This record gives sequence, structure tokens and C-alpha cells, in this order.
Amino acid sequence: SQKIEQNSEALNIQEGKTATLTCNYTNYSPAYLQWYRQDPGRGPVFLLLIRENEKEKRKERLKVTFDTTLKQSLFHITASQPADSATYLCALDRNSGYSTLTFGKGTMLLVSP
Amino acid sequence: EPEVTQTPSHQVTQMGQEVILRCVPISNHLYFYWYRQILGQKVEFLVSFYNNEISEKSEIFDDQFSVERPDGSNFTLKIRSTKLEDSAMYFCAGTQGVGNSGANVLTFGAGSRLTVL
Repeated sequence: SQKIEQNSEALNIQEGKTATLTCNYTNYSPAYLQWYRQDPGRGPVFLLLIRENEKEKRKERLKVTFDTTLKQSLFHITASQPADSATYLCALDRNSGYSTLTFGKGTMLLVSP
Repeated sequence: EPEVTQTPSHQVTQMGQEVILRCVPISNHLYFYWYRQILGQKVEFLVSFYNNEISEKSEIFDDQFSVERPDGSNFTLKIRSTKLEDSAMYFCAGTQGVGNSGANVLTFGAGSRLTVL
């Protein structure tokens, strides 16, 4: 079965710096890789997705890269703000259509003022 | 912006009792999901539902679980005889289906926290 690994330890950074979060998977390459944000006691909120044939996607201060050779995605938040503090989840979509998402455990990001 | 609404936000129950968790999906969503998240763990898929039928379910979704869309709007998850290990946050999610991106992007509710004593 697919295993997804995200940094288990919280990432602490200073406001204004770039946060980089890692998502590694072990088996099949997903058709899509999605990133969600989860605040304490809340449901995940979709942020960005990248297709298997894409190397990089950007949305405002967010950037996602996807390396199917390394089986890795990197999620970057530039000019980080304290409001970016949350847990960020990586989710794999096996194929296009209505397949279920497989989530990683997430990495907690703490941005200090 | 449309939201997925879940009730109750928190339910405490005794082991062996039946629990029904409710979800009001976004009106134009066609595919519905239940996920759960045990405290400190990852979000895990339970079941997907389309056209009034279960389309996929995980190993977690055993005979004690059931889903229904009784009135065409509300979507429920029933746990017949709760166990201590059912304590978790249960999330309802929905999607219109494959959008312009070609991917299955989910909109989640805020969750229902279930505590089994």
C-alpha cells in the first residue's frame, strides 16, 4: 500500500522566511498530489495541486514541486506570516476521476513574529 | 462561500451505543466522503458515496458503519455499536467531481468529534 511520509517534527521559522515542507511517498506515482492546510479542530482546506507531468505550480506565496523520480513533493511558503501557522497535509490522488485521497500525517508549521 | 455543515460538533457516548453523525453537503456536489482522524494521527478514508450508493470503502468501514442520504440533502454516518477506538474526529467531504484541473479536490466540513467512554 502507499506510504506517505511528511516531517513529523514541527517546523519553526521566523516571519518573512521561506518555509519548505516535504512529502515523500513509496509506491505508485499518483496522478495528482494535493496540499491541504488544517487548523486545530478543523477540517482540511485545499490549497494547491500538481499533476504528475508537472514540475512546479505556484499560487500567490505558495509553490509546489513534484519529482516523480525522487517520489517527492516540496511545498514552499514564501514571506511566511504568523497566520500561516497550521498543519500542512500532503494527499495523493491515485488517478484522475473520483478516486479517494490518501493523506500524510502532516507537518506542523509555526511561524514566529 | 458554500460550506459543508456537520452536526453535532461534539458527541460523547457510552461504548456500545449507536451514534449518527450528520452532514449537509454543498448543493452542487455529487460525490461525498467520510474520513476520520484519530487524535494526532492522519486523516483516513472511510467511505465514498455517489448516486445513493457506496462507491468505495476502506477496511475501517466494517459492518458497524453505514451511510445514508435519506432525504436527498443530508448525508449521515451511523456507527451501530461504538467502541473506544471509534473516538476520533469524523469529517464529511464532498466534490463536484473532476474539475478543470482534472483532479478530485475535496471540500471538508469542520468535523464532528466523537468521544466514546
